[in-house]
Amino acid sequence: NAGVTQTPKFQVLKTGQSMTLQCAQDMNHEYMSWYRQDPGMGLRLIHYSVGAGITDQGEVPNGYNVSRSTTEDFPLRLLSAAPSQTSVYFCASSYGRYTEAFFGQGTRLTVV
Amino acid sequence: KNEVEQSPQNLTAQEGEFITINCSYSVGISALHWLQQHPGGGIVSLFMLSSGKKKHGRLIATINIQEKHSSLHITASHPRDSAVYICAAGGSGNTPLVFGKGTRLSVIA
Repeated sequence: NAGVTQTPKFQVLKTGQSMTLQCAQDMNHEYMSWYRQDPGMGLRLIHYSVGAGITDQGEVPNGYNVSRSTTEDFPLRLLSAAPSQTSVYFCASSYGRYTEAFFGQGTRLTVV
Repeated sequence: KNEVEQSPQNLTAQEGEFITINCSYSVGISALHWLQQHPGGGIVSLFMLSSGKKKHGRLIATINIQEKHSSLHITASHPRDSAVYICAAGGSGNTPLVFGKGTRLSVIA
């Protein structure tokens, strides 16, 4: 039982490049979410999903896309990276929206 | 929008001390989470509570719904407790979790 697996751990992108952050969970959780963590700020919700085929925007969705084709996977796509997207990204899953959350190890993304 | 405030922002304690971290929120919630983030960056859920008190080992979390306030207590603190502690408030319906900025705790031997 691996929990929440998030890859990569580190990534450097040039402005304008695209990439996908991967997130997979093996706990059969319906609720998955992506957060970004910036210095001096709390975790902020980017996008979330309440089940396969269902996604919705969070607090800071601009510049990011998501899809949820299976219960296990919830990738986050940066379409055209910008320096403002330099951050640490966390994927999380839970059985329900307000049950215990399990977090991935985080991805430290730098956009130059 | 729910506002979540944590205090203190930074806390340094001697090993063995009793520690309290506070969390206040502005709007009624369905659940409050306490999370721990270690220097390596990983985040672990410590507690989720909607009323009363929960205890796990040396950690105790309490919540007062009427006062919109929660506390995390650490008894007999140890250097391995050094981490950032984060509270997050969850409303009802489609409202997302709102996170505090965290309390950075350093426990010195």
